[in-house]
Order: sequence, then C-alpha cells, then structure tokens
Amino acid sequence: DSGVTQTPKHLITATGQRVTLRCSPRSGDLSVYWYQQSLDQGLQFLIQYYNGEERAKGNILERFSAQQFPDLHSELNLSSLELGDSALYFCASSAQVGGPEYGYTFGSGTRLTVV
Amino acid sequence: AQSVTQLGSHVSVSEGALVLLRCNYSSSVPPYLFWYVQYPNQGLQLLLKYTTGATLVKGINGFEAEFKKSETSFHLTKPSAHMSDAAEYFCAVSDRGSGGGADGLTFGKGTHLIIQP
Repeated sequence: DSGVTQTPKHLITATGQRVTLRCSPRSGDLSVYWYQQSLDQGLQFLIQYYNGEERAKGNILERFSAQQFPDLHSELNLSSLELGDSALYFCASSAQVGGPEYGYTFGSGTRLTVV
Repeated sequence: AQSVTQLGSHVSVSEGALVLLRCNYSSSVPPYLFWYVQYPNQGLQLLLKYTTGATLVKGINGFEAEFKKSETSFHLTKPSAHMSDAAEYFCAVSDRGSGGGADGLTFGKGTHLIIQP
C-alpha cells in the first residue's frame, strides 16, 4: 500500500456521461498530480494541485476538470465522455510543491472504460 | 518541449543475465531523470532518480542508471535478472528541470521486460 488511495478501482460508463474520480494523498502530502495512461498516448500529465490551488496544467482536455479540497483529497471530473477517454487514471502525491525531484507516490489507479 | 524515447517496447532476457533498458531524452537544459516500474494492476514505483551530483545512480532492487549528458541518455541496468523483475519500466524527465512552469513528468512509452527462465 503506497498510502495514496484512489476510488473507485474500476468504472464502466456510457459515452456522453460524467464521472468523478477520487484521490486521497499520502498523509502529510500537499501536492496532488493526475495522470492518464492510455495505449495510444502512454502516460500523460494532466494537472497538479498544491494545498487547494491549481499549480500546473498539462495535457488536460477542457471536458476534464479537477479540484483539491481543504482536507487535501482531490477529485478529477470527466464529462461528455468519449470512447477515447477509456484509460487508467493515476493520482500521485508529494509533500512539496517543487516537483517530482522531491519524490512522488503513485496510487494504484482507476480504470475507466467508456462503452 | 521535452521528450523521452525508450528503445524497445519489449525486452527479453534470461534469468541471471544482464538487464539493459535504454532511455534517451531531449532537453535544452540539464534535466531531472527518473525510472519507474509498474507491476500488473499496480501504480508506478520509483526505482531511482538523477537530479544533481554523481551521474551513476543506484536504486532499489539492484538497479542502477548512468546519466550521460553527451549522449543524452539515462539507461537502466541490472547485473543479474530475476523473475520478479518482469514488469513495465518507464523512463521520465521532469519538466521542472527544464525551467518550465509545469511540475509534471514527461514519460516514455515504456518497456515491457520479460524474464525467460
């Protein structure tokens, strides 16, 4: 157990729907990162939050959004889902805002299947 | 923009043989470099990282990697493969190392390591 908790582990939904993925960071970590892993695109950085504030954006679609709550858990919202959004979505956390050189801890991911 | 190229989507070695997984990167400034391992149905686990200092970096499970600036490479090696090393391996570069604004990692496509008994 890495200490980063992602729920649900699996999610199957239809095209056009909206889903919310949840991530609880490791105790004491203030930064949360979201990544998408797909067969086509590999692992891509989506977005980062630090202590409730958006810190950096990567290749995140406009249909996707995220937030980090006062208790530091984060949610990734995916809307108007398309078949191509089927992927494994990872959350990672770190104690620092400075970036991965300080150490990332990854969760085990949420596997999203859009049918 | 930074990029990472992992040569060989699949690498097969015999148990006890040398493991060599290749990674080349492009960066306009000295990067931070990482190797992660992913076992089936699990998240990514950090094997080792290079930030500054010694260019030969030792990680967990007997793996090591050497940063070669002249070759823009960060190849991963292990002297003797074990069956438990079978997994997906990802090389990654830090955007922050380039001085860019994003703190995310840019990953290679991954190399699937197969260990033959």
